[in-house]
Amino acid sequence: GAVVSQHPSRVICKSGTSVKIECRSLDFQATTMFWYRQFPKKSLMLMATSNEGSKATYEQGVEKDKFLINHASLTLSTLTVTSAHPEDSSFYICSARTDAGTVNTEAFFGQGTRLTVV
Amino acid sequence: LAKTTQPISMDSYEGQEVNITCSHNNIATNDYITWYQQFPSQGPRFIIQGYKTKVTNEVASLFIPADRKSSTLSLPRVSLSDTAVYYCLVGDMWGNTPLVFGKGTRLSVIA
Repeated sequence: GAVVSQHPSRVICKSGTSVKIECRSLDFQATTMFWYRQFPKKSLMLMATSNEGSKATYEQGVEKDKFLINHASLTLSTLTVTSAHPEDSSFYICSARTDAGTVNTEAFFGQGTRLTVV
Repeated sequence: LAKTTQPISMDSYEGQEVNITCSHNNIATNDYITWYQQFPSQGPRFIIQGYKTKVTNEVASLFIPADRKSSTLSLPRVSLSDTAVYYCLVGDMWGNTPLVFGKGTRLSVIA
């Protein structure tokens, strides 16, 4: 079945530094990918929609200059948390849907990235 | 986007059948109903998807009444490893729309 892979699975960084998270669709092309954030014991919150070859669409309240998204190819989207602070510590999850634009697509999720800012 | 409502938590003993009901009163004609399972520190995993009536696969069944305003995920004979959060999502059939998660149901299976 289709697989979405995230890297790294876990990262610890110092406050003020930037961290890049990669999301790859391993055996299918994804013109659209989605980024979510999840705090402990909470649900997934949609942050942005990543579009290949164009600017990402951010949800209300998500700072686009802080969470930089690049979707440079049909199999890779990256999320960069810039100038990270402890409150950015969270579980970040990406998702991609197979055959975007066709009927009845299934969404696959990466394994998530645990970011801890110290 | 259709909003979903599920019980916050459920407990069950091993070997029992578990039914989790989800309400989605404003579901649209193009919307499918999809259920995902999430273990701690992992991404959600697809369980089952349906549009109407009943769908069954190797792990679960999904019951959808004619008005489609609710759905019930049925897990037969749960085991300890089924302890997880279960999310009911409603979204259109086209792949460019993101899935919006509700609060989910935390299922605890007890020995």
